[in-house]
This record gives sequence, structure tokens and C-alpha cells, in this order.
Amino acid sequence: QKEVEQNSGPLSVPEGAIASLNCTYSDRGSQSFFWYRQYSGKSPELIMFIYSNGDKEDGRFTAQLNKASQYVSLLIRDSQPSDSATYLCAVNFDRGSTLGRLYFGRGTQLTVWP
Amino acid sequence: SAVISQKPSRDICQRGTSLTIQCQVDSQVTMMFWYRQQPGQSLTLIATANQGSEATYESGFVIDKFPISRPNLTFSTLTVSNMSPEDSSIYLCSVRVEGGSPLHFGNGTRLTVT
Repeated sequence: QKEVEQNSGPLSVPEGAIASLNCTYSDRGSQSFFWYRQYSGKSPELIMFIYSNGDKEDGRFTAQLNKASQYVSLLIRDSQPSDSATYLCAVNFDRGSTLGRLYFGRGTQLTVWP
Repeated sequence: SAVISQKPSRDICQRGTSLTIQCQVDSQVTMMFWYRQQPGQSLTLIATANQGSEATYESGFVIDKFPISRPNLTFSTLTVSNMSPEDSSIYLCSVRVEGGSPLHFGNGTRLTVT
């Protein structure tokens, strides 16, 4: 069973705050994890990906992965109104990288208010 | 990352007709996928488009309804056949440039069936 669960929100934070987005997945053997951002009416765009346990930082974004707990999160520091979007968690359940199908959660809608 | 062009960007079709969506990539890619995003929902994987062979469909999707072609490493088509209003959705082409690399999306085709 390929399940990716996210809180649908909406999540509302003030400008400058830290936004925390969470995602759980069903298969402990999953190897790669992705966060996408989708603005209304647009296609998803990749923010970050993470393969190993621990934290991975890229600018204001930090992805955190805990494979034992089957949990991946995205932190957005110093949130800006332009970060207001739906954030999609995606998981590659295929064990080998040659297949690489991604399965998506329902997304968390984030609003950053000035 | 690859530049992905999808045509048409939107269409309004009558019930019972078919629509073919084209996806053109500016470079050769290893994997091409087709997703559907119904209103207010997340992305659902329809199938993996395999170069030179039949597509691999996800549970709930069948070739008769969603025939897919991929004649080469840069081009694929998805046909939505015998459409009903329930097929109204955004259809997205996505590509993986090489095994293990992130998935990137085209701008999507917004389909409305009346």
C-alpha cells in the first residue's frame, strides 16, 4: 500500500515565523523523499529532496527525515508572504532508482500573513 | 533541468469525445510519467510512459481509457478517451532526466468535459 499522509491544513503563520510541514509514509523501505511547492493554478515545482536520515538545509528550507518513524518534514524559516502555497510531499516507493515513480500526499496549504 | 512543453494548455471537450495531450522535452530523459490532479486534490499517478513499449498503468487506470505512446526519449502523448465530466482535471506530464534525479513537471493541460 503506497500511502503518503499530510495534514491538509490550512496552516497559517505570520511573516518571519517558522512554518513546519509534516508528512508520513507507509513503506519503511522507501529511499527518497521530495517536497514540492504548488502555487494556485500552477504546476508543482521542486523545493528539496532528501535521501538520508537527518537534516538537509537549502537556504531558508530544511528537510528532516526519520526513516525509523517513517516521517519527513519541511521547515521554512523566516516565512514570507510569497511562500503562501500548497506544499506537496512525495515519496519514491520503488526500491531501485531506475523506476522512480513518485506518490504524492494531499498537500498542506500554507498562508503567511504580513 | 529539462524544459517540458505540454499541448494543449487547456481545452473544453464534449462528453464522449477523446483528447490527445502532447508532451515534448528539450532533451532525452530516462523516465516520463503522466499524472492527474482533480480539482482541489493532489497528484495521482496514471502511468509510466515506456519508450518503445506499452505503458505501465497504476491501479485504477486502464489502457483503453488512457492510451499512452512514447515513440522516443523526448516525446509522449496521453489520450483521454470517451470522456465524461469526471475526467475534468489537470493532466501533467513529468520527467526524470536520469535515475534517481528529481521529477520535473510540465505546465499541465486543464481539461473541462461538458
